[in-house]
Amino acid sequence: GQQLNQSPQSMFIQEGEDVSMNCTSSSIFNTWLWYKQDPGEGPVLLIALYKAGELTSNGRLTAQFGITRKDSFLNISASIPSDVGIYFCAGPKKAGGTSYGKLTFGQGTILTVHP
Amino acid sequence: GAGVSQSPSNKVTEKGKDVELRCDPISGHTALYWYRQSLGQGLEFLIYFQGNSAPDKSGLPSDRFSAERTGGSVSTLTIQRTQQEDSAVYLCASSGYQETQYFGPGTRLLVL
Repeated sequence: GQQLNQSPQSMFIQEGEDVSMNCTSSSIFNTWLWYKQDPGEGPVLLIALYKAGELTSNGRLTAQFGITRKDSFLNISASIPSDVGIYFCAGPKKAGGTSYGKLTFGQGTILTVHP
Repeated sequence: GAGVSQSPSNKVTEKGKDVELRCDPISGHTALYWYRQSLGQGLEFLIYFQGNSAPDKSGLPSDRFSAERTGGSVSTLTIQRTQQEDSAVYLCASSGYQETQYFGPGTRLLVL
């Protein structure tokens, strides 16, 4: 299966600051997904990317599918306390696969926002 | 139901005992997935059911792990002779055909 390397592992920021995290792989992905997990909950899909170079926004969140198809980043602008949680990148576990089957996940980025 | 539900929320068991974890997918979803999340780690794929097809069991870590899906709906993940390294959060997800996966809240398993 394909491996995803996510960084940073954790971030401590002040409310109002912007945040950036990224995910890289040695293999090509056809789909990149970004999930957020709140404490005691399952992951919730934030943004899905299906095309190299694609830049997609969801409110204060922006994600891009890298041109090489081996990386993706997620930006959060003007962070607020409810942004706290663990952010995961994910992609199809099988090389060349779709997002509609088993997924492989990055290790996660733990975000803490200080009011 | 409105979302994926899992039970129990938490399970504490003794090493060597068997445990069963239950997942109720979103009504009408044909695909169901089990993942395992160890402390501080990402999610690890375990098993995938799609409709009436044979399940993809390629992620099960050992033969102590098994899962079934009855009537194309509810699924049970069984871990036999539990070991301490089985302690983790077990997450279930479901999706419509070729659609986004929606996750349940998970079952937190602690093996003493």
